[in-house]
Amino acid sequence: NAGVTQTPKFQVLKTGQSMTLQCAQDMNHNSMYWYRQDPGMGLRLIYYSASEGTTDKGEVPNGYNVSRLNKREFSLRLESAAPSQTSVYFCASTKVGSSTDTQYFGPGTRLTVL
Amino acid sequence: AQRVTQPEKLLSVFKGAPVELKCNYSYSGSPELFWYVQYSRQRLQLLLRHISRESIKGFTADLNKGETSFHLKKPFAQEEDSAMYYCALLHGSSNTGKLIFGQGTTLQVKP
Repeated sequence: NAGVTQTPKFQVLKTGQSMTLQCAQDMNHNSMYWYRQDPGMGLRLIYYSASEGTTDKGEVPNGYNVSRLNKREFSLRLESAAPSQTSVYFCASTKVGSSTDTQYFGPGTRLTVL
Repeated sequence: AQRVTQPEKLLSVFKGAPVELKCNYSYSGSPELFWYVQYSRQRLQLLLRHISRESIKGFTADLNKGETSFHLKKPFAQEEDSAMYYCALLHGSSNTGKLIFGQGTTLQVKP
């Protein structure tokens, strides 16, 4: 099992450019999440998908869109990147049910917006 | 509102000293709490969860409902414990598996 994978690992964008961060999991988890990690702010939830076909806003959704392509894949799109979106982005997944499992994290994408 | 607070950004100790990373939470029901760790250049991983009542890598954490705390402790710090530690609370109002994270504490263990 690869667990949770993310691409790319690093990306540099210019202000106004767009890009999509990809995330996939092979653990048959039903819920997936996108976080951003900033110094002194901890991890903040951007969007999540509780199950295939559903997505919901988290704490900091502005400037982002998501797509739950299928049960395995959950992508995050920046339509017009801004310097404030410079951050490390983590994808995570978990199995939610009668006994909710812990969240498993991907390796992260380090994004710089110039 | 559900909230997790880690009051220390940085905790610096010498090898062999006791360690306590503080975590306080705000939640009206029965909380489910976790500690995650992120070693340098690695992904976040679960360290322990309170319902398991286990000790991982010598770390323990006890839920204190009266003080709404879930502090992480280790009696003798090792250099390999240096990492970022996050306390997290399972969001209780919906069956989504969402976690609310604290701001994180960097533990630095000096030789």
